[in-house]
Amino acid sequence: AQTVTQSQPEMSVQEAETVTLSCTYDTSESDYYLFWYKQPPSRQMILVIRQEAYKQQNATENRFSVNFQKAAKSFSLKISDSQLGDAAMYFCAYRKSSGDKLTFGTGTRLAVRP
Amino acid sequence: KAGVTQTPRYLIKTRGQQVTLSCSPISGHRSVSWYQQTPGQGLQFLFEYFSETQRNKGNFPGRFSGRQFSNSRSEMNVSTLELGDSALYLCASSSWGETYGYTFGSGTRLTVV
Repeated sequence: AQTVTQSQPEMSVQEAETVTLSCTYDTSESDYYLFWYKQPPSRQMILVIRQEAYKQQNATENRFSVNFQKAAKSFSLKISDSQLGDAAMYFCAYRKSSGDKLTFGTGTRLAVRP
Repeated sequence: KAGVTQTPRYLIKTRGQQVTLSCSPISGHRSVSWYQQTPGQGLQFLFEYFSETQRNKGNFPGRFSGRQFSNSRSEMNVSTLELGDSALYLCASSSWGETYGYTFGSGTRLTVV
C-alpha cells in the first residue's frame, strides 16, 4: 500500500523568508502523481501544486516550487517570499493513476511570523 | 464557475441516529470522492463515484454508504452513528481521468453526541 510521510508536524517562517516542507512517499508504481494541498482555517483543501512522476522537471507555481527526487521518493515544497496568507495546514498527497484515490500525509502546520 | 458545494456546513447528531450529507460538484465534473478528516486518523478515503457508479471504496464499515445521481450530485449516508464518526467530511470532484487533481468543498463538520 502507498504511504505518504510528512515528518514536520509544525513549521514556522518569517514573513518574506523561504521555507521548505518535507514529504516522502512509498510506492512500487512508476507512474503516479504528487500534490501539495493547503487547508486554511476555512477548511477547504486548495491545490497548491502538482507533479507528474514521469516529468523530470520540477513543478513551479509562482512562489511555490517543488523538489521532486523520484529515486529517493521525496517531494518537498518550497515557499518563497512567505506571506501571512500562507499560514495553513499543508498536506502532501499521492495518487497512483488518474482517477484513483488520493493518499494524504499527516500534514504540516505552517505559521508565518509578521 | 461555481465550486464544490457541500451542505450542511455543520451538523450535530445523537449516537444511533443516521445522517445524510450532500455534495454538488463543479459543473461538468462527473467524479465525486468523499474523505473523512479527523485529528487522530487524518484524511481517509471513503469512496468515489463516477456516472452514478461506485468506482473505489475505502476501508470503512458498511454503515457508511453513498450514491450519485444523474446530475452528478452525491450524497453520503452514515447510519447508527457512533461518537467516533465525529469528523470533517470533505467532498471532492474532478473530471474522470483528469490529472490536475481534485477540487474540494469546504466540508461538513459532523459532531456526534
